[in-house]
Amino acid sequence: DIVMTQSPDSLAVSLGERATINCKSSQSVLYSSNNKNYLAWYQQKPGQPPKLLIYWASTRESGVPDRFSGSGSGTDFTLTISSLQAEDVAVYYCQQYYSTLEATFGPGTKVDIK
Amino acid sequence: QVQLVQSGAEVKKPGASVKVSCKASGYTFTSYGISWVRQAPGQGLEWMGWISAYNGNTNYAQKLQGRVTMTTDTSTSTAYMELRSLRSDDTAVYYCARVRLYLMTTVTTPYGMDVWGQGTTVTVSS
Repeated sequence: DIVMTQSPDSLAVSLGERATINCKSSQSVLYSSNNKNYLAWYQQKPGQPPKLLIYWASTRESGVPDRFSGSGSGTDFTLTISSLQAEDVAVYYCQQYYSTLEATFGPGTKVDIK
Repeated sequence: QVQLVQSGAEVKKPGASVKVSCKASGYTFTSYGISWVRQAPGQGLEWMGWISAYNGNTNYAQKLQGRVTMTTDTSTSTAYMELRSLRSDDTAVYYCARVRLYLMTTVTTPYGMDVWGQGTTVTVSS
């Protein structure tokens, strides 16, 4: 199985400041045949289902504000919120889908306002 | 509009089975897959598996193999997830999600769960 880890577990950022979440996979999720990283990011607010933010590691989902961006390749990935807004308070999960037999999530990173 | 509507909350005894439904509307059901994800109280997301609504092919999480079955009824655009031999640690909110399909040569990869159901709470308790 591909194990996903995230850091930090939680972070508190001032409004308007940058928030950075890291995600690491136990093996590469870059598929060499198409040069795509099989990684997505989701946002989950309390009491709500998750929401897709980013797929293919860096492709922003339609309707997602451009302050959200994804980067990285291979085993190391980052979700950046360039200017934190109050509505961004949530738990953020990365997920690999390189292994369709077991598309694992990371443990989540909680983002709060400082 | 595109939506997934799940069946209502369930309370089951250990050893019983539960079947959760997920009715899709607003899109061509067979052009996507359906993934199932669960979340135990206060915990993170756990991927359970997925089913292609196009051909019924499935992949299940290894830890659930033998206890879970995912099916679809294309005539009603409804997906189902049945979990058997329930244990207390199966207590969770169960979500279905529409998943996009990426086809490369003969391999179909589900990616991007872009529409989610509202969740179904399953409580396992004696």
